[in-house]
Amino acid sequence: ETGVTQTPRHLVMGMTNKKSLKCEQHLGHNAMYWYKQSAKKPLELMFVYNFKEQTENNSVPSRFSPECPNSSHLFLHLHTLQPEDSALYLCASSPWVDSGDTQYFGPGTRLTVL
Amino acid sequence: KNEVEQSPQNLTAQEGEFITINCSYSVGISALHWLQQHPGGGIVSLFMLSSGKKKHGRLIATINIQEKHSSLHITASHPRDSAVYICAGLLRGSGGYQKVTFGTGTKLQVIP
Repeated sequence: ETGVTQTPRHLVMGMTNKKSLKCEQHLGHNAMYWYKQSAKKPLELMFVYNFKEQTENNSVPSRFSPECPNSSHLFLHLHTLQPEDSALYLCASSPWVDSGDTQYFGPGTRLTVL
Repeated sequence: KNEVEQSPQNLTAQEGEFITINCSYSVGISALHWLQQHPGGGIVSLFMLSSGKKKHGRLIATINIQEKHSSLHITASHPRDSAVYICAGLLRGSGGYQKVTFGTGTKLQVIP
């Protein structure tokens, strides 16, 4: 059991839709992350949250909007996406951001944008 | 040229063989992260290391900061080790990561 859950596991949406991805961790961690994995491309770190505060935004387009209401929950709000945004979106958590601790990953949400 | 390069890209081994996957990076990093991704997408974080060597079960990770090189070794390989192995360079600043650069992965298949 990874202790990090993501919903939904699969999502198909049109370019005009608005949807949200949810991540929840039950490990008591303080840091949470969103990653994007596109086909045949390396993993990309999108956002980092430390104690509910966003510490990193790696040049992610504004059509991706993260929200971290508490240290156990992380959302990724999606609106007016493009087909090239189709990818596997992974959430991860770790005890702290800057400790060198390993990260625990959720199973991912497979997103298809039509 | 990628800032984090892995070799080989694909690797097929017989069960029981000793396996080495290499990761070289051309950027300054604070730590290096090894990840394992199973078919279907599930990712497991294996090691985070900034110097020396770490061991967990049959897995050993080493890093040479001066040479900007890390290796992941698997002893007595087993078919369940079949997965994509990814290395990532982490550069930390105050408050969190400034940059994470991932390699493209090494696809390992261990044949019984």
